[in-house]
Amino acid sequence: NAGVIQTPRHKVTGKGQEATLWCEPISGHSAVFWYRQTIVQGLEFLTYFRNQAPIDDSGMPKERFSAQMPNQSHSTLKIQSTQPQDSAVYLCASSLGQPNSDYTFGSGTRLLVI
Amino acid sequence: GEKVEQHESTLSVREGDSAVINCTYTDTASSYFPWYKQEAGKSLHFVIDIRSNVDRKQSQRLIVLLDKKAKRFSLHITATQPEDSAIYFCAASMTSGSWQLIFGSGTQLTVMP
Repeated sequence: NAGVIQTPRHKVTGKGQEATLWCEPISGHSAVFWYRQTIVQGLEFLTYFRNQAPIDDSGMPKERFSAQMPNQSHSTLKIQSTQPQDSAVYLCASSLGQPNSDYTFGSGTRLLVI
Repeated sequence: GEKVEQHESTLSVREGDSAVINCTYTDTASSYFPWYKQEAGKSLHFVIDIRSNVDRKQSQRLIVLLDKKAKRFSLHITATQPEDSAIYFCAASMTSGSWQLIFGSGTQLTVMP
């Protein structure tokens, strides 16, 4: 079990460019969560999927952020027209998809927008 | 929506002493309260949780207490060791509706030799 795999580990983009972050959940886990971690805001919930269906995207900045889960083995988070304030560590986690299930987090993608 | 407040941003203890981290939550519907540990440069990993049907849970040196009336829960680390040094996050979620975890702001625990 390789755990939750996130790629790339680090990404540097220029302001205005697009960034796509990838997450491969643990096999058999039906829920996938995306969080953003910064020093100032801490851990912010972005969105989550259960059985590939989007369940709650209440934390997503509406205009430039989008997430998809085209199959059970990966999810993507896309940020269009990146801005310096998007710089953060983006964490993906997966769980068994039942209430009260703990999460397994990936190592995160550190995004730097310059 | 749910808000989780973590009261100690930093905590220093001597090796062998106990450490206590306190969190409060706002939504009475919350019923699941896990704790995560983040070591320097690493991601979060699960350490212990408690569900609302109990008020105490212990796993080796970790004890979690839950006071539903006060909407407060706490992590007690006994006989601390230097390897316990890390950032600890509390979280809360509900068992109905949206299940996502809402995290506290984290407590940097330093265990001094």
